[in-house]
Amino acid sequence: GAGVSQSPSNKVTEKGKDVELRCDPISGHTALYWYRQSLGQGLEFLIYFQGNSAPDKSGLPSDRFSAERTGGSVSTLTIQRTQQEDSAVYLCASSLAAYRGSGHEQYFGPGTRLTVT
Amino acid sequence: QKEVEQDPGPLSVPEGAIVSLNCTYSNSAFQYFMWYRQYSRKGPELLMYTYSSGNKEDGRFTAQVDKSSKYISLFIRDSQPSDSATYLCAMSHLTGGGNKLTFGTGTQLKVEL
Repeated sequence: GAGVSQSPSNKVTEKGKDVELRCDPISGHTALYWYRQSLGQGLEFLIYFQGNSAPDKSGLPSDRFSAERTGGSVSTLTIQRTQQEDSAVYLCASSLAAYRGSGHEQYFGPGTRLTVT
Repeated sequence: QKEVEQDPGPLSVPEGAIVSLNCTYSNSAFQYFMWYRQYSRKGPELLMYTYSSGNKEDGRFTAQVDKSSKYISLFIRDSQPSDSATYLCAMSHLTGGGNKLTFGTGTQLKVEL
C-alpha cells in the first residue's frame, strides 16, 4: 500500500518568509509525528498527534513553529518568519494508535528539504 | 550528554563481513528499541523493533538489547553493497500515551566490493 507522502520534496525560501509543509500519513494510522533532521543534530522530535487528542507540542523549538491535522489525516507544519537555522530536512512519520503497548513502529515519509537563504 | 550515543563512523567493511552497530543510552525508562536504515536523501526505513531486553532475528539482521548495560546492537551478516547506508538507533517510552522517538545521530556504513 501507499506509504507516508510529503510535499514539497524541496523548498527554498528567503529568510523571513512563511512556509507550509504537508504530510499524508498511511491510511488507518491515527498517530502522526513530525521530526527535524539537521547536520550534526540527528533527528529531533517536534510534535505528535493522536486521534482527536490535543497534540504534544513539547518538541517545537519556538512559537514560530505550529502544526495542525485536519480530519485526523493530513497534517501541515507551518514555520513563520523563517530563519537560516530552520534549514533542515523535515520528516513526517505515522503509526497505529499510540497508546500503551502499540504504535512504537513509526513509518517515515521521504522528508521535505528546507533551505532558508 | 545526549540521551542516546552512537558512533557516527564512517564504518567501511568488505562485502560478506559481519557488521556490528551499537548505541548506548542513559534513560532507564526506555523500553522500546528500533533500528532504522536511511539511504542518502531518503526517509528512515524501519528495520527492527524490539521490546525490552533480548534478541530478535530477521534474515541477515539481529538486534540485541541489554537493558542492564543500557546498550543495544544491530548485527548484519553477509553484508552487501546494498547495505551501505546510515543506520539510526531509536528508543521510546510511554509519555502520556505518546511514543516520541529519541534517535542516535546515526552510523554511516559502507560495504565495499
